[in-house]
Amino acid sequence: AQSVAQPEDQVNVAEGNPLTVKCTYSVSGNPYLFWYVQYPNRGLQFLLKYITGDNLVKGSYGFEAEFNKSQTSFHLKKPSALVSDSALYFCREGYSSASKIIFGSGTRLSIRP
Amino acid sequence: EAQVTQNPRYLITVTGKKLTVTCSQNMNHEYMSWYRQDPGLGLRQIYYSMNVEVTDKGDVPEGYKVSRKEKRNFPLILESPSPNQTSLYFCASRGTSVEQFFGPGTRLTVL
Repeated sequence: AQSVAQPEDQVNVAEGNPLTVKCTYSVSGNPYLFWYVQYPNRGLQFLLKYITGDNLVKGSYGFEAEFNKSQTSFHLKKPSALVSDSALYFCREGYSSASKIIFGSGTRLSIRP
Repeated sequence: EAQVTQNPRYLITVTGKKLTVTCSQNMNHEYMSWYRQDPGLGLRQIYYSMNVEVTDKGDVPEGYKVSRKEKRNFPLILESPSPNQTSLYFCASRGTSVEQFFGPGTRLTVL
């Protein structure tokens, strides 16, 4: 069955340090993977997506994600964290032709000054 | 400006009192969907619509209804709300791209 897992409820990082938010998936066939960010009292905002092509995908606000087929992972990364990156992050999987879209449970990222 | 709008943004109601949350998009998207967001559970799909007059159940459809009479509108209807439907609700739309555009959310409290 199609599924997405975000194994960490919370990630704490010091400002200026690199950050990683983990996501693993389980699908049959080629996955379509996304990352979204949610700031307090706001809807979800698109960060980046992997459909095909290069395994390293660059997105908004300096974020990037690496698609790893052998590990079925799509971890979100940023070389140098900012306090303003503190938010709730969701990984999502969904085929373009499929109606069902699956979100992970979310990871709260906290960047301390 | 391309956007998805939801109304109301906040709603407190009582058990059993029918309510409708409206959703509208101005991007001529065919695909629209409703999600509820609960702590620790992420976003769960309630209903989706592939086009006008075409709707289908998502993962958690019980207690909800939807309709899609026009392309731009996709209202969520709770015929008899119960406290377990207290949640944060998001409407989203998608065009030919796989990217979804989300509304600002509706925080519903059922007493």
